[in-house]
Parts: sequence; C-alpha cells; structure tokens
Amino acid sequence: DAMVIQNPRYQVTQFGKPVTLSCSQTLNHNVMYWYQQKSSQAPKLLFHYYDKDFNNEADTPDNFQSRRPNTSFCFLDIRSPGLGDAAMYLCATSRALPSGGETQYFGPGTRLLVL
Amino acid sequence: DQQVKQNSPSLSVQEGRISILNCDYTNSMFDYFLWYKKYPAEGPTFLISISSIKDKNEDGRFTVFLNKSAKHLSLHIVPSQPGDSAVYFCAVAYGGSQGNLIFGKGTKLSVKP
Repeated sequence: DAMVIQNPRYQVTQFGKPVTLSCSQTLNHNVMYWYQQKSSQAPKLLFHYYDKDFNNEADTPDNFQSRRPNTSFCFLDIRSPGLGDAAMYLCATSRALPSGGETQYFGPGTRLLVL
Repeated sequence: DQQVKQNSPSLSVQEGRISILNCDYTNSMFDYFLWYKKYPAEGPTFLISISSIKDKNEDGRFTVFLNKSAKHLSLHIVPSQPGDSAVYFCAVAYGGSQGNLIFGKGTKLSVKP
C-alpha cells in the first residue's frame, strides 16, 4: 500500500516555466517535508510543514514555494525553474519532528528535468 | 561544509561477509542518528536508528554503533545478502522543536553472490 505518493514520477519543464510537484500521504502524519537531491549528493531539506506551520530552511531560494492545503497533500512550486534546479525532489512525512526519534517516510521522488 | 560525511562513495562485499558502512559528523549537539536505505527508483526507507544515550543498537542482521567521542557512526550488516545492494544514507537529527534531518551523500553497497 502506497503511503507517500508523488506525482508525477518524471517532470520535464522549460527554463523559466512554473512547475508544480505534488505529494500526498495516507499516514495522517503531522509533518511533511520537501527535499532536493542532486546527482551523488545528499538529500537537502528545502522546507517542511508542521501541520499548517511552514518552516523554510535559511538557504532555500525564493524561487521555491510550498503549499499544504490539507493534512494529506503538499505541493512544491518552482516559480521560474533554472537549469540548476534539475534534480530529484523527495517528499517525506513523519508524525513529529525527527529530533524526537520519529522516522521519516519518503515517497519515490519526482525527477525534474529543465530544458 | 558538510556536517555529515560518508567518505566511501561505494563498497563491494562478498555475500555472507560483513558490510561496514561509516559515517562521520561534525556537531556534538546531534542527538539522534539514522540509517536509510535506497533502492533505484524508490525513495529512501528507514533502516535503523540510535540515540546519543546509547552506543549500540541491533536489529536482526543490522547493527549501528555510535562513538560519540569520535563523532563516528557505523552500520554493520552480517551476513550480507545480494538484496542488501542499495545506497545507504547516514542521517542525523539535532534537538529542539525545529530539529530536522541532515543527510550524508550516501554509500553504494554492492553485495556479490
């Protein structure tokens, strides 16, 4: 049973054309995260939502935005994708923040290609 | 600067032998340590974790060791199986209400039959 679902699995967009990646979860978890992972690099946290509270990492570019309309869904919006934004985007969820020992559950990722 | 380092991009081990994956971290304030496993075309999945109050945690074939003085974490897989072939990510969590995970770059483990 899929628990964290990401659509689409592959997304091709044009330089500068806004794109939205989606994530949904069936776990009813409080926290949802978006990570960016470039080839051979560590997954890098962009931001997370704890319920409706949005938490942006200090070095996340303004080009990246997120929306969480309800518990189950979270969206990543890239307003003007550049070539450097081509990467795997991973969505994850957890009941609480990981410092309390909570496990994060990841979706399969969306691979974004910018032409 | 990387706060979590996995210095071996890849590791090859014979089936049945021990696999040892290593991870070093820089901040002594990190208090929770995890290993994730990732197969191609899938997201990372949680494997095993350890808190800073322990130095060892075991789950079946998987054991994680924590050496706080050396700021070093290792994952032992015994015996290794071909199905263990994957990328293994070390991750650390820091305390406080805004704590999140910081990942290493991963080590690709290949277990040969």
